[in-house]
Amino acid sequence: AQKITQTQPGMFVQEKEAVTLDCTYDTSDPSYGLFWYKQPSSGEMIFLIYQGSYDQQNATEGRYSLNFQKARKSANLVISASQLGDSAMYFCAMSLNTGNQFYFGTGTSLTVIP
Amino acid sequence: GAGVSQSPSNKVTEKGKDVELRCDPISGHTALYWYRQSLGQGLEFLIYFQGNSAPDKSGLPSDRFSAERTGGSVSTLTIQRTQQEDSAVYLCASSLEELAGVDETQYFGPGTRLLVL
Repeated sequence: AQKITQTQPGMFVQEKEAVTLDCTYDTSDPSYGLFWYKQPSSGEMIFLIYQGSYDQQNATEGRYSLNFQKARKSANLVISASQLGDSAMYFCAMSLNTGNQFYFGTGTSLTVIP
Repeated sequence: GAGVSQSPSNKVTEKGKDVELRCDPISGHTALYWYRQSLGQGLEFLIYFQGNSAPDKSGLPSDRFSAERTGGSVSTLTIQRTQQEDSAVYLCASSLEELAGVDETQYFGPGTRLLVL
């Protein structure tokens, strides 16, 4: 069963604009973690931001923020003031207390247009 | 400090040959993971090592795949009798995991791109 769903295979955004990348998740565990990673064309997965299921506030890291809506089981990534260097694949992932792996979505390809 | 390193960065092999992929985790990280990423896909979990505990091999796709971790540090993923469907990027990640929890960030290496002809 798919645990992480990213419904946007590709997104375009104008430079300096904000963009939201969607992520929904599926678990009945009360404790879980949600992560976003960036994968540029070089291939390395770069950690961006983390949100815990018990966190009361939405996580923020610089230009990245996570719009966490627990009831809707969504954890959308918001990138503000997009830059050309933001063009990459973005993956949403979830960790659970049961099991040792991260569950990854299929990713969203973001292209920033000058 | 140094991040996760992997070698080789690229590997081309012929069908039926064995390959070894190496991962050097971040110093002090006790947990190590291997994932496979096929073209245009997300990451598929393969195997997990934590300290001296028995590894979680639940993601290995067949008995042609094996991995070991020597001395709690470097790990080697071995694929025997490679098939064309094994072509993918193999990513290694490590995490500190002092106390196992959902907030343990995994840090990834650059991957090994394997092409089986």
